[in-house]
Amino acid sequence: DQQVKQNSPSLSVQEGRISILNCDYTNSMFDYFLWYKKYPAEGPTFLISISSIKDKNEDGRFTVFLNKSAKHLSLHIVPSQPGDSAVYFCAASPYGGSQGNLIFGKGTKLSVKP
Amino acid sequence: DSGVTQTPKHLITATGQRVTLRCSPRSGDLSVYWYQQSLDQGLQFLIQYYNGEERAKGNILERFSAQQFPDLHSELNLSSLELGDSALYFCASSVNVRDKTYEQYFGPGTRLTVT
Repeated sequence: DQQVKQNSPSLSVQEGRISILNCDYTNSMFDYFLWYKKYPAEGPTFLISISSIKDKNEDGRFTVFLNKSAKHLSLHIVPSQPGDSAVYFCAASPYGGSQGNLIFGKGTKLSVKP
Repeated sequence: DSGVTQTPKHLITATGQRVTLRCSPRSGDLSVYWYQQSLDQGLQFLIQYYNGEERAKGNILERFSAQQFPDLHSELNLSSLELGDSALYFCASSVNVRDKTYEQYFGPGTRLTVT
């Protein structure tokens, strides 16, 4: 049973346009959400996070939106750059913070074309 | 560079063998996490240690075990290896679970191939 779902395995976007990556979750106990970026042959790199008490968090070109009622979050990248091409993982922290492990989606491969 | 180091980078071994993967967390981080990434799978949480003690367990097989040493480095031991254990194994670290700081910083991973 997948608790964190990224339904789009891939996304292709033109350079300079907006990239929107989506993530859905099923467990209402999740209270913290993160996005990671992963290049081939490297470990995941932390990108941005959001607490369940917020509905938006922004860091430069990256913005994460959280819709708790829909159990949905999204990552917006504006403007997209070719260097953003990578696999993006959505992750959630369960159990209200009593444990630190993360539950990951299967990832979305973003390709930004020049 | 996340500051988390993992050795070895690659490991090729035969079925039935035992291997040890090593992880050194970022300086100051007390928590260490192990994750497995198989083909077509996201990262699956295996086990967490906090300051030398086991804190949480995920989908870790009984053939697998881990420990965290006084200097905070961690080892993941995989025994009676099967073909299906071939995967990328990542270690991550974070500052402190009680601080509710969930950002985990990942090492480059160890690619295990079982033949």
